[in-house]
Amino acid sequence: DVKVTQSSRYLVKRTGEKVFLECVQDMDHENMFWYRQDPGLGLRLIYFSYDVKMKEKGDIPEGYSVSREKKERFSLILESASTNQTSMYLCASSPPPTGGIETQYFGPGTRLLVL
Amino acid sequence: AQSVTQLGSHVSVSEGALVLLRCNYSSSVPPYLFWYVQYPNQGLQLLLKYTSAATLVKGINGFEAEFKKSETSFHLTKPSAHMSDAAEYFCAVSSVTGYSTLTFGKGTMLLVSP
Repeated sequence: DVKVTQSSRYLVKRTGEKVFLECVQDMDHENMFWYRQDPGLGLRLIYFSYDVKMKEKGDIPEGYSVSREKKERFSLILESASTNQTSMYLCASSPPPTGGIETQYFGPGTRLLVL
Repeated sequence: AQSVTQLGSHVSVSEGALVLLRCNYSSSVPPYLFWYVQYPNQGLQLLLKYTSAATLVKGINGFEAEFKKSETSFHLTKPSAHMSDAAEYFCAVSSVTGYSTLTFGKGTMLLVSP
């Protein structure tokens, strides 16, 4: 089974702190994704990466950055956390598309509260 | 550009009743469509996906969805609801161009009463 793990299930941080959210997958997938999930808004893509050291902006990249130094690990960084970044953060991974079809596999999520 | 609209943020059914969760999509290229389920305090799990091979797609836990191009719809159904089906359901669309990212709908919470 594909396993995507996230470093924390719950996190409480102060405004202005630098926050690191870590995601690791064990299936040697090329693609990795970070989403945030908010009630009534569904999932919105923050950043994704299709290879080591490569990154692409998603729909809502402002206030975030990412790092992918190793294939299995994709980190989301909040340079200076703000209260409007309180949310559920979900990481996902997928293999490269075969015929345009790919399944994304999700981690359990990190619920971040910024005070 | 692609988008997904899920009609109804909440759907309530009785145990044993038909489940129907609606999804309409917009895509400028042939779409690939997915339904994911999220149980409380968990990540998303794939229920089924449309791969253009067959318009009626069967998934896990007795769910199925039918792709209707003329209606740009991909509604999710289950003949008989179980209490364990209570969860949030997300429809998503992917395109074959670019990096094949997913665009999700806002989700529908399914409530099942005894």
